Amino acid sequence: QQQVKQSPQSLIVQKGGISIINCAYENTAFDYFPWYQQFPGKGPALLIAIRPDVSEKKEGRFTISFNKSAKQFSLHIMDSQPGDSATYFCAASMGFGNEKLTFGTGTRLTIIP
Amino acid sequence: GAVVSQHPSWVICKSGTSVKIECRSLDFQATTMFWYRQFPKQSLMLMATSNEGSKATYEQGVEKDKFLINHASLTLSTLTVTSAHPEDSSFYICSARDRGSYNEQFFGPGTRLTVL
Repeated sequence: QQQVKQSPQSLIVQKGGISIINCAYENTAFDYFPWYQQFPGKGPALLIAIRPDVSEKKEGRFTISFNKSAKQFSLHIMDSQPGDSATYFCAASMGFGNEKLTFGTGTRLTIIP
Repeated sequence: GAVVSQHPSWVICKSGTSVKIECRSLDFQATTMFWYRQFPKQSLMLMATSNEGSKATYEQGVEKDKFLINHASLTLSTLTVTSAHPEDSSFYICSARDRGSYNEQFFGPGTRLTVL
C-alpha cells in the first residue's frame, strides 16, 4: 500500500514535444506529491509539487495533473528540450510529522533533436 | 535558497575502515534529515530519518550499528559507515526538510562511496 508505481521506465521525445510521465498510488493518506529531476551523479532536485486540494499546478514548462479519484498524478513537460534529458522520480508522502517520501521507480527521459 | 551540501562528494576506502559523510543545510534550519542509498539506475531507498537531538529511526533491514547517524544540530547530520565492505559501495544522498515548509525536502548532491 506504500508503493508508488511509475511509468514508463524510459521515454524518448523529440525536441519541442510534450513529455508525459505517470504515477499511481494506493495509500489515500498521501497528501503531498512532488516530482524530482536527477542528472547522473547528482542528487535529485525538486521540480514541482502538488497537494490533493488542486487538480493541476503549472510552473513554467512543467505541469502536474492530479486525479484524486483515480489516485493518479502525472508530470507534463511542454516544449521538451535536450537539457531536460534526465531521470524523473515521482514521490508521495503523508501529513505533517510523517514526511517520509515514497519514491516511484524513475523514468529515464531522453530528448532527441 | 534551500541548499543542502554533502561532504565528501566521493570517497574510496579500504574494507574494514569507517567512513563519515556530512550533510549540511546551508541556508535553512532542518529539524528532520533523511539518508538515502541509491544503486545505479535504481530509485532512492530510504535508510533512516533523523530528527535533531534524538535518535534516528531506521528503515526495516537497515543495520543501525553499521550505519550510524547523528543529527547534532539543526544544520548538520552525519552518516558513518562502520567497518565498510565492498557491498556498501553505493551513492549516498541526504535530504533535509525546511522546518518552515510543509513537506518539502531538499536533497544534497550525494556522496559516491567505493570500498575496495
